[in-house]
Amino acid sequence: GENVEQHPSTLSVQEGDSAVIKCTYSDSASNYFPWYKQELGKRPQLIIDIRSNVGEKKDQRIAVTLNKTAKHFSLHITETQPEDSAVYFCAATSGTYKYIFGTGTRLKVLA
Amino acid sequence: SQTIHQWPATLVQPVGSPLSLECTVEGTSNPNLYWYRQAAGRGLQLLFYSVGIGQISSEVPQNLSASRPQDRQFILSSKKLLLSDSGFYLCAWSSGTDLYEQYFGPGTRLTVT
Repeated sequence: GENVEQHPSTLSVQEGDSAVIKCTYSDSASNYFPWYKQELGKRPQLIIDIRSNVGEKKDQRIAVTLNKTAKHFSLHITETQPEDSAVYFCAATSGTYKYIFGTGTRLKVLA
Repeated sequence: SQTIHQWPATLVQPVGSPLSLECTVEGTSNPNLYWYRQAAGRGLQLLFYSVGIGQISSEVPQNLSASRPQDRQFILSSKKLLLSDSGFYLCAWSSGTDLYEQYFGPGTRLTVT
């Protein structure tokens, strides 16, 4: 079946450094790629997304890049802060209505 | 603006007891609705989704069921809970006009004892 692989599973960075999380998807028909941030005990929150007709999207300190040929997309967080510590999930659309989620990356920003 | 509600927030139930979790969405009509489960420290597993009243698609065969009795109401049920049903249950919605962006409710933390 279709799947989304996400790496790394855990990531520790020093405050102020950059963090990069990578995802690879298998369904060539996927055309929308969201990223969610989930703090402990809370709901996942949509933080940024990208559609298949765009190669890069930026929103302040976060950016997402998409390489449709290679079927991978990445989340970049610059100037990390302690409040960026959370679990991040990538996803890719599967069919018209569904997502397939990656397995998550636990990001820890060390002060 | 749109708001999604779930209740209860937490629930402790014995094995073999029934379950009913409710999700409602305000501020939109004809949303697509989703039930996900998240085991402790794990990812998001899609259980059911619905694109309209009475229309339910099941993703994982198990002892759970879902119903959509009204446009903005989605219910997750079980007749007999198993220990493995413990987890964080999340309802999500997406707009009928923009199929892509999904927004999650606050979740119900279920512990089966």
